Amino acid sequence: DIQMTQSPSSLSASVGDRVTITCRASQSIARYLNWYQQKPGKAPKLLIYVASSLQSGVPSRFSGSGSGTEFTLTVSSLQPEDFATYYCQQTYSTSLTFGGGTKVEIK
Amino acid sequence: QAQLVQSGAEVKKPGASVKVSCKVSGYTLTDLSIHWVRQAPGKGLEWMGGFDPEDGETIYAQKFQGRVTMTEDTSTDTVYMELSSLKSEDTAVFYCATLRGNSDFGHWFDSWGQGTLVTVSS
Repeated sequence: DIQMTQSPSSLSASVGDRVTITCRASQSIARYLNWYQQKPGKAPKLLIYVASSLQSGVPSRFSGSGSGTEFTLTVSSLQPEDFATYYCQQTYSTSLTFGGGTKVEIK
Repeated sequence: QAQLVQSGAEVKKPGASVKVSCKVSGYTLTDLSIHWVRQAPGKGLEWMGGFDPEDGETIYAQKFQGRVTMTEDTSTDTVYMELSSLKSEDTAVFYCATLRGNSDFGHWFDSWGQGTLVTVSS
């Protein structure tokens, strides 16, 4: 299986901060990389698909970039509702895998 | 987007099986590829398997091979996930989700059910 490694596993940030989360794949996955946001007790929500496409209805402060083995999710100006856990997911292989998650907490 | 509504919480004893349902609305099941994702308490997301639209087969994560069965009832637009030989480590929230996209552009999960908590305890 393709291993997905996210960093950091957690971070503390303030409202208005620019936040970047990194996801690395154990082999090249082209651009077959998605990002999800999950809040406590809720199902994950799709933010970004195929590395950089913004899902309909998701604020433009979220952006994704990367290809091959290294990808980033950036929140340009963190808002109170953005405090959550973020997961990357590869769909290059039919055996889909997620990263371990990055918890974004309030500083 | 499709709406997915899952069955309610379950409590099972070790060794038993559990069958979780996921009812689709807004689309017919034949137009969708439904997958299942597990999340143990305080842990991350783990893909279990689902319908592969490229070859028309249901595929399972190796970890669950032989222990999980995913079926569908097109007459009621409902998908089922049955997990057998339950252990305490299977205590988790199980989600169904719709897989979108194609092999050229890529795939993603764009709609999710609300989750079903399965507790395995003696």
